[in-house]
Amino acid sequence: AQSVTQLGSHVSVSEGALVLLRCNYSSSVPPYLFWYVQYPNQGLQLLLKYTSAATLVKGINGFEAEFKKSETSFHLTKPSAHMSDAAEYFCAVSGYVGSTLTFGKGTMLLVSP
Amino acid sequence: DGGITQSPKYLFRKEGQNVTLSCEQNLNHDAMYWYRQDPGQGLRLIYYSQIVNDFQKGDIAEGYSVSREKKESFPLTVTSAQKNPTAFYLCASSIVSGRETQYFGPGTRLLVL
Repeated sequence: AQSVTQLGSHVSVSEGALVLLRCNYSSSVPPYLFWYVQYPNQGLQLLLKYTSAATLVKGINGFEAEFKKSETSFHLTKPSAHMSDAAEYFCAVSGYVGSTLTFGKGTMLLVSP
Repeated sequence: DGGITQSPKYLFRKEGQNVTLSCEQNLNHDAMYWYRQDPGQGLRLIYYSQIVNDFQKGDIAEGYSVSREKKESFPLTVTSAQKNPTAFYLCASSIVSGRETQYFGPGTRLLVL
C-alpha cells in the first residue's frame, strides 16, 4: 500500500520569501516520488521526479526537493517566491512497477506582494 | 506538437443522462488514466488502461465506464448511476503504467443542470 500526506492545505508567503511545501509518504517498497503543479482550471504539470538516482532533485522554475528516507519525506522548496508561483501543488508516490500514482490532497500556495 | 487533448472543456449533464468525455493522446503512450478532482480531495483514480482492449477499475469506478479500442483514445462515460458527477475530470497518459511520469490533459469540467 502507498499513501501521501501533504501538510497544510494552504501556505501563504510573501514575494521573495522561501517556499516550503511538505510531503510525507508511505510505501512498502522504495518509492518514486513526484511533485506536480496545477494552475486554475488547467491540467497538472510535472515539476520534478525522484527515481533514487540522487536525493536532491532539481526541477523546473527553480524548485527542488530532497528525499529523506529516514523521515519518509519529500518536501518541495524554492529559495525566493514569485507571484507566478501561486498555484496548487500535488505530491504523488508510485511504489512497485505496474502500480499507479497515489496523490496527496494538494497544497495551495498563495503569494502576496 | 505531442500532447493530450480533452474535450469538451465544459460539459453539462441533465438528470438521468449519460455523457461521454473525450481523451486523445499522440504521445504513443501505452498507459492512460482518468482522474476525478474535487476541491480539497486531490486526484482520485477512476479507471486506467495499460494496453489497448484492457482496463482496470481505480478507487472510484462506480457510476463510470470506459473503453480502449485504440491506443490514442480512452473515452470516459459518466452514467446516470453516478449521483454526484459535478467535478473536474483529468485524463493522463504515460509510456507504461507504474513509475513513469504521467502527462495530463487540460481537463473537462462537468456540471449538472
